[in-house]
Order: sequence, then structure tokens, then C-alpha cells
Amino acid sequence: QVHLVESGGGVVRPGGSLRLSCAASGFTFSDYGIYWVRQAPGKGLEWVAYIRFSGSVKYYADSVQGRFTISRDNSKNTVYLQMSNLKPEDTAVYYCAKPLPGDYPQPFDYWGQGTLVTVSS
Amino acid sequence: DIVMTQSPDSLAVSLGERATINCKSSQSVLYSSNNKNSLAWYQQKPGQPPKLLIYWTSIREYGVPDRFSGSGSGTDFTLTISSLQAEDVAVYYCQQYYTTPFTFGPGTKVGIK
Repeated sequence: QVHLVESGGGVVRPGGSLRLSCAASGFTFSDYGIYWVRQAPGKGLEWVAYIRFSGSVKYYADSVQGRFTISRDNSKNTVYLQMSNLKPEDTAVYYCAKPLPGDYPQPFDYWGQGTLVTVSS
Repeated sequence: DIVMTQSPDSLAVSLGERATINCKSSQSVLYSSNNKNSLAWYQQKPGQPPKLLIYWTSIREYGVPDRFSGSGSGTDFTLTISSLQAEDVAVYYCQQYYTTPFTFGPGTKVGIK
């Protein structure tokens, strides 16, 4: 049974940093890229970042490029999202998500429950 | 970036009636390797993460009731709930996964009339 569990959220001041974790189980973690998606309170979904199964390829949304870094440790079945220079507009629930299996780009069939990040002074 | 739009923003439908949600992409999302449109639909209920309903425009995810169907081509896509049930009250999002960033539509809120 696939599980994705996010952690590391909390309240941080503008300009501060936070590291989120996404712990995965129930599938061969090292075979899958992983995504981060966020949702500001009462708003829609925003794709944030992606890391390939090997960790060799990473993509970021323009809104976080240069401030967020995605990484993974396949020995721990965990993906990280290091967030720095945080802004109030980064306030959101952050979800990690796994894609459907397949050779092509795929949508997300499993999501974690999310972790809330609040950026406020 | 590919911009996804949805209409309407919200709709209220009587139980057992049809609900139709439209989604438009700002450019083609046709994946040439399999000649399918990289278009998915998600359902999100309050306090829950999104749930994948439909992918490749019209393929239902395992366990999704057959009252949910997807269609479309080019840049115009539709999610149809053929007979609305109380448990279908949610926000529905379309998403293109043709190219990063995998953008989402703004969502359509479906309620009961």
C-alpha cells in the first residue's frame, strides 16, 4: 500500500528557511520521480518542483526557482524540499505526489496528506 | 508555461442530474509518442489531497465510478458526471502533464442544487 507522509511544516518569518520531508513506502521508491505541489489557503493547486528517480534531473516553478531546492535520499525513501528566503506568498499546504507508472510523463496517482507552511511575521 | 482555464467557476446540479466541467489549455498537450492528450482530472474534497479521476483525457483511474467520464481533443476538454451523487460534492481540477510545470486549472466547485 502506497504511503506518502510529509513533515517539517510550521510557522516561519519572512526571509527564513524550512526543510520539508516526504517519506515514501509501499512502492519501489528509486524507480519514481517525485513532485511537490502546494495549495495556498482557499486557493488552487500549484506545481512546485520535481526530481527524477535518480536525482539527476530537477525542475522548479518560476515562483520558487533559486529559493527552493529539491533533493532525495533513495536509501531512506525520502524526498526533501529545502525552502529559503521564504515569502508570505509561500504560505500553503505542501503536498508530495507520486506519478503513475510509465515511460511517459504521468499524472499523480498518490498524494500525501500535506504539511502546512505559514510565512508570517 | 501552458495556461489551463476552467469553466464554470462553480455549478450546482440536482442529485441524479448531469454535471459538465470544461477545461481549455493555452496550447496543444498532445503527446506525440502515444498520440494522446496529456490531460488529467482530479477531485478534491475539503481537508483532503486531490484524487486522480481521469488521465490521458478519458481513462478512468482504478476504482473511479463510471459516472465520471472525460473527453476532448486539441485544446478543449470536458469532465462529465452523468448522475451527480451527494459524495461528488468537491472541487475539480484539470491538469496538463505534457510539459513542466505541470499546470492546473483554477478549479470548478460542484455543489447540490
